[in-house]
Amino acid sequence: KAGVTQTPRYLIKTRGQQVTLSCSPISGHRSVSWYQQTPGQGLQFLFEYFSETQRNKGNFPGRFSGRQFSNSRSEMNVSTLELGDSALYLCASSLSQGVDEQYFGPGTRLTVT
Amino acid sequence: GQNIDQPTEMTATEGAIVQINCTYQTSGFNGLFWYQQHAGEAPTFLSYNVLDGLEEKGRFSSFLSRSKGYSYLLLKELQMKDSASYLCAVRPYAGKSTFGDGTTLTVKP
Repeated sequence: KAGVTQTPRYLIKTRGQQVTLSCSPISGHRSVSWYQQTPGQGLQFLFEYFSETQRNKGNFPGRFSGRQFSNSRSEMNVSTLELGDSALYLCASSLSQGVDEQYFGPGTRLTVT
Repeated sequence: GQNIDQPTEMTATEGAIVQINCTYQTSGFNGLFWYQQHAGEAPTFLSYNVLDGLEEKGRFSSFLSRSKGYSYLLLKELQMKDSASYLCAVRPYAGKSTFGDGTTLTVKP
């Protein structure tokens, strides 16, 4: 069974631009969560989607948004990029919400210059 | 909310046993998870506990005490490849998944 895939793996953008990241979960997994990882803040929860609905949201500004499609694939968008948005963005999928373990994708390394 | 505390760094010797502790303050959660993350890679799932007690998976075991707000990950027969960051996380059913900052384990020969 294929693992979680994320595209692109690396991205360089300039301040003010917007970016869209993509995540394809493990086949059969319906829950997708997004995290931001930085050396100073660790893994920070962005949001979780289940059955095309955002179920939970972390403490990030409205510039961060996402969506989930009927095939469970998910995208996240960051508008008006700031230097502080430079981070590793990780997507994790699980069968459902709750106690199911999450499986992480390789991440997208975003650099904002 | 959930606050998770783990030691920042630990060092152990190849072949030894190491215990990584995790304490948390939370209003409730369904499961406590442990993940391993090697430098430059994504976290990989190791173990989780729903009920109090010990869960064993090969060289790795995880323990949970809800009444004490405490968990630990036990690694036996340490190998050099176990050098990594170990993340403790709580995953409530209706809330935000929260990860600790991770414990960087260095295994020395």
